[in-house]
Amino acid sequence: KQEVTQIPAALSVPEGENLVLNCSFTDSAIYNLQWFRQDPGKGLTSLLLIQSSQREQTSGRLNASLDKSSGRSTLYIAASQPGDSATYLCAVRFDSGNTGKLIFGQGTTLQVKP
Amino acid sequence: GAGVSQSPSNKVTEKGKDVELRCDPISGHTALYWYRQSLGQGLEFLIYFQGNSAPDKSGLPSDRFSAERTGGSVSTLTIQRTQQEDSAVYLCASSLVREREQYFGPGTRLTVT
Repeated sequence: KQEVTQIPAALSVPEGENLVLNCSFTDSAIYNLQWFRQDPGKGLTSLLLIQSSQREQTSGRLNASLDKSSGRSTLYIAASQPGDSATYLCAVRFDSGNTGKLIFGQGTTLQVKP
Repeated sequence: GAGVSQSPSNKVTEKGKDVELRCDPISGHTALYWYRQSLGQGLEFLIYFQGNSAPDKSGLPSDRFSAERTGGSVSTLTIQRTQQEDSAVYLCASSLVREREQYFGPGTRLTVT
């Protein structure tokens, strides 16, 4: 069964700290992996998309890495700010058939304290 | 430009009634997806449309759920004879093509009483 797991479920850090969010998936045959953030009561905002042929993607203070062989991705957030407080979701499109569906992890809820 | 829009933002309905949820994807996006987010189940895939191809309906939880996409643009998700377990936030997403990143709408919060 294709599954995506995110650990930890919740994380609290002081402002300014660098942090890493983890995502693991059960099947190394993935097509791509996407990181999202979700603010309470809101939809999902796309942060980064990594194709299966890529090792990492960067956007501002965010860096996402992908290691297919070990079934892992990490989202690195540099110099965290209170505005980074949100739930971060990892989603994988597995390379099976013609579907574009994403399988989501349960998310990591991040709190950055001023 | 305009993002994915969904309507209504909130819907309260009585058990047994039918509901229709609407999604307007980003203009020019050929792929459209419906997901459901509930407290116990997280985010679950429901259905995927790509151009004129047959949709991937593998995530629809029962035959009470159906969706259509007219003219390759607007999509409607219909839930017949709603049950309390249908209460959730229904999210729509679109992408330029299947291989590209998905952009999500704000969702419709459905409450079945």
